[in-house]
Amino acid sequence: ILNVEQSPQSLHVQEGDSTNFTCSFPSSNFYALHWYRWETAKSPEALFVMTLNGDEKKKGRISATLNTKEGYSYLYIKGSQPEDSATYLCAFSQAGTALIFGKGTTLSVSS
Amino acid sequence: EAQVTQNPRYLITVTGKKLTVTCSQNMNHEYMSWYRQDPGLGLRQIYYSMNVEVTDKGDVPEGYKVSRKEKRNFPLILESPSPNQTSLYFCASRTGVGGKQYFGPGTRLTVT
Repeated sequence: ILNVEQSPQSLHVQEGDSTNFTCSFPSSNFYALHWYRWETAKSPEALFVMTLNGDEKKKGRISATLNTKEGYSYLYIKGSQPEDSATYLCAFSQAGTALIFGKGTTLSVSS
Repeated sequence: EAQVTQNPRYLITVTGKKLTVTCSQNMNHEYMSWYRQDPGLGLRQIYYSMNVEVTDKGDVPEGYKVSRKEKRNFPLILESPSPNQTSLYFCASRTGVGGKQYFGPGTRLTVT
């Protein structure tokens, strides 16, 4: 059974802090790694899709890196703001198969 | 506006009464999926479809059926709902295996 692990499960930071989360996935037959942001009472929203080892993606203060050989991805948030409070999900797929989601990292940013 | 729509958004029903949750997307996406979200368990895939008339089971398909007769629609059918199917359900679509996935607004189902 394929498994995607995210750590930490939750964290609380102060406004202005930078933070990062980890997503671990099986390194064999890798095809794509997705990151989503999920705010309370809303639907998950796609942040990044990465397919190549060494990929780096950036959107504003949020960036992500990918290491397919060792099976991990990092999501970084620079200068956290209260509006960054959400659950961040990663999802992994092998070629031609379904997306498998981790349980997420819940970030809370205090002002 | 590009979107995934689901109906109904909220539904309370009784055990054994067949129901269908509709899902439609207007982005001409090949892939469509159904997920359920339960506290502590995260998002779990029920079924997915790679194109018209092509569907496959996800992690938790028991008690559910799907069909993909048209590219834009992917209904979720509960033939005989049970209380353990009380959950928040999301439909989603994407262009291909490497495409961003777009989620619908969710359907909160309660089976008594």
